[in-house]
Amino acid sequence: EPEVTQTPSHQVTQMGQEVILRCVPISNHLYFYWYRQILGQKVEFLVSFYNNEISEKSEIFDDQFSVERPDGSNFTLKIRSTKLEDSAMYFCASNSGETQYFGPGTRLLVL
Amino acid sequence: AQSVSQHNHHVILSEAASLELGCNYSYGGTVNLFWYVQYPGQHLQLLLKYFSGDPLVKGIKGFEAEFIKSKFSFNLRKPSVQWSDTAEYFCAVNAADSWGKLQFGAGTQVVVTP
Repeated sequence: EPEVTQTPSHQVTQMGQEVILRCVPISNHLYFYWYRQILGQKVEFLVSFYNNEISEKSEIFDDQFSVERPDGSNFTLKIRSTKLEDSAMYFCASNSGETQYFGPGTRLLVL
Repeated sequence: AQSVSQHNHHVILSEAASLELGCNYSYGGTVNLFWYVQYPGQHLQLLLKYFSGDPLVKGIKGFEAEFIKSKFSFNLRKPSVQWSDTAEYFCAVNAADSWGKLQFGAGTQVVVTP
């Protein structure tokens, strides 16, 4: 069964550094999403992406965040200058219908 | 404001006990409703979903949920749990006819003891 995959599974970085989180959505899916879950808190929507552009973004998704689909398979989330409060689990999801399928997540720790 | 509330943060029960997890939502308009499960160390997996039609929906692993529109609720049930049902359970909502963002509840950590 096709799955959403994410790399890396864990990332440790210093405050102020740039990180890129990678996702490979399910191949025939059209919509892509990033969510995050800070430890002990809700899963929060960050951004959705369709037809090579952002279709919706949350208040969390400020100028330090960006998304890109650099080729036909990858979908990336870049955090330009990480802050301590960016430490969280980041989930990628994709769908071609109403159901979103989630990847295993990348645990980001900012020191 | 749109919101999803899950009534219990932690539930501990014995094998063979019945499980019911509450979910209420506040949303302007018609909604799609989902329950996702996250087993320890694994990613979010879809348990079941409701878009329209029969308000009682059956999902995987013996789970079911009932949509009660008048109560804005979508409670998850399983008549007899197993140790392997130990997981975190998330209720989620998005706007019907939309492939848009999911709004999640806070999650309920369920521990099933042998």
